[in-house]
Amino acid sequence: EAGVTQFPSHSVIEKGQTVTLRCDPISGHDNLYWYRRVMGKEIKFLLHFVKESKQDESGMPNNRFLAERTGGTYSTLKVQPAELEDSGVYFCASSPKIAGGYTDTQYFGPGTRLTVL
Amino acid sequence: AQSVSQHNHHVILSEAASLELGCNYSYGGTVNLFWYVQYPGQHLQLLLKYFSGDPLVKGIKGFEAEFIKSKFSFNLRKPSVQWSDTAEYFCAVTGFQKLVFGTGTRLLVSP
Repeated sequence: EAGVTQFPSHSVIEKGQTVTLRCDPISGHDNLYWYRRVMGKEIKFLLHFVKESKQDESGMPNNRFLAERTGGTYSTLKVQPAELEDSGVYFCASSPKIAGGYTDTQYFGPGTRLTVL
Repeated sequence: AQSVSQHNHHVILSEAASLELGCNYSYGGTVNLFWYVQYPGQHLQLLLKYFSGDPLVKGIKGFEAEFIKSKFSFNLRKPSVQWSDTAEYFCAVTGFQKLVFGTGTRLLVSP
């Protein structure tokens, strides 16, 4: 079974440019999560999709970040325009359908390291 | 709001030494608890998890953790570490769906 994949693995862009990160969850997983780790800090939640719907986007930093999950399969996270403080590692995770409202194990992708110069 | 505290940011041990990494969380309701590990150059992977039942949970590679509800703790242990355990370890908690992580502990095991 293929794991969670993310593309690209690294991205270096200049301030003001746009970057789009992609995540392909494990096939059949309804739940898809985005997290970010800024250097030296903890991994922080950004948002959660259930199929194609945004269940919780309370962690999105601001309106420069736009996440989509068309068709309930892969997801993209666009940063436009990128700022220096957006640098970090962006992780995607997926988990199976939740039972009883509680999350099951989340399986993580390798992450995308974003550097904004 | 939920929060997780990992007491040790960097730990250096010799092979065969015992390991205990501290994790305390703050949350008033029912929680699910996790330890994830990230080996150099690899992605985050699950070491073990606690949802309910026996508070002493065993994970992969000889790791175990004990949930002590009264202390809001979920410490990770391993009786004898190996060089291959060099990695970063993350404690995480979820009360509903999103994971809340601690800052991570970098473990270096010297041969």
